Amino acid sequence: ETGVTQTPRHLVMGMTNKKSLKCEQHLGHNAMYWYKQSAKKPLELMFVYNFKEQTENNSVPSRFSPECPNSSHLFLHLHTLQPEDSALYLCASSQDVASGAYYEQYFGPGTRLTVT
Amino acid sequence: AQKITQTQPGMFVQEKEAVTLDCTYDTSDQSYGLFWYKQPSSGEMIFLIYQGSYDEQNATEGRYSLNFQKARKSANLVISASQLGDSAMYFCAMREGFSGTYKYIFGTGTRLKVLA
Repeated sequence: ETGVTQTPRHLVMGMTNKKSLKCEQHLGHNAMYWYKQSAKKPLELMFVYNFKEQTENNSVPSRFSPECPNSSHLFLHLHTLQPEDSALYLCASSQDVASGAYYEQYFGPGTRLTVT
Repeated sequence: AQKITQTQPGMFVQEKEAVTLDCTYDTSDQSYGLFWYKQPSSGEMIFLIYQGSYDEQNATEGRYSLNFQKARKSANLVISASQLGDSAMYFCAMREGFSGTYKYIFGTGTRLKVLA
């Protein structure tokens, strides 16, 4: 596998379910990100991890819970979601987030989530 | 106020012609970075080009160039010799902030359709 992979690619879940999204990067990067992409809205940054430490939480509801066990893996645990949480969830990685250089982000293909 | 504004929700261009996608930004930081990403229908965001706020020359990457006008706070993407494979959503993004507090902000995107 190369680049950034995400599983599953599609997920349908009820409001009372618990599920997890997985992201893995094979680029040797130190920073990983979760984004939410809804129709006709800008991409929303949810969480940022740098060297496994969470550096940003953009006022995301607690029904979304991230986990970063190492620099290569990132999870997004979901529970008691709402229909408005249906969206494409994108994972990204970059070399670093704390240095002064502006590293581009590499994105995975996303998980299309539908909450029923 | 929008930090990144892309005023063209959709654009058409004839194959082999050039096209300009508009992007304006708003920041009070002196140091920031501007990015363009392409998102095909498959969903994966692909990095295209980067411009730093202190870069004096416009960035170029193959058929992509960034028309950076700092005083006007614009960072338009120019695609030369359009190809059918260029049909996709294009997002302008900005990174601002300081070490440990960087924020990535995306625009709403422009859907480009290349006509044969």
